[in-house]
Amino acid sequence: AQTVTQSQPEMSVQEAETVTLSCTYDTSENNYYLFWYKQPPSRQMILVIRQEAYKQQNATENRFSVNFQKAAKSFSLKISDSQLGDTAMYFCAFMKLGGGSEKLVFGKGTKLTVNP
Amino acid sequence: GAGVSQTPSNKVTEKGKYVELRCDPISGHTALYWYRQSLGQGPEFLIYFQGTGAADDSGLPNDRFFAVRPEGSVSTLKIQRTERGDSAVYLCASSAYLDNEQFFGPGTRLTVL
Repeated sequence: AQTVTQSQPEMSVQEAETVTLSCTYDTSENNYYLFWYKQPPSRQMILVIRQEAYKQQNATENRFSVNFQKAAKSFSLKISDSQLGDTAMYFCAFMKLGGGSEKLVFGKGTKLTVNP
Repeated sequence: GAGVSQTPSNKVTEKGKYVELRCDPISGHTALYWYRQSLGQGPEFLIYFQGTGAADDSGLPNDRFFAVRPEGSVSTLKIQRTERGDSAVYLCASSAYLDNEQFFGPGTRLTVL
């Protein structure tokens, strides 16, 4: 079974600064995706960024980028130029491909607060 | 277009009662997932539908939990003889065929007194 670990329960950052959220995972699979989801107080999970395991190049989406270290099974999220609207819970998630259901396995989350 | 919707937004019930939670996926999405999110935790997988059939129900915690999707669109999660430990936010997500992005609804917060 796959597991996802987020070791930082809470983090804070000043507006306009950069913050990095950590995520490690454990799997014996070779074919998978990794995701970062954002969950604001409204409870709606929103996809921030995803990474295919077979791609060596790190994914980027505007101010969001990842550092994917496949051998180390590490998948951190970097948020640049932090904005007040980035305040939310952030979940790292793993998806095994080809298993039939492609369900997401989530970590426990990191609560990020962006301070003005 | 409309996203995934879930009703009710909040549900309060008494221990031992039966509840139904509804999910309306994005139109045309064949895959539908249910997750349960307990306080302070990440979502945990419950069940996956591809079309009308439950392709993976390995996450259902016991036989008090059941879900249906009779016409391949709307899904209902049914919980019998509710227990206080069932209190959580129940999230629904849908995705298009062969697409790995799951779109989530706002969830139903279930409170069992």
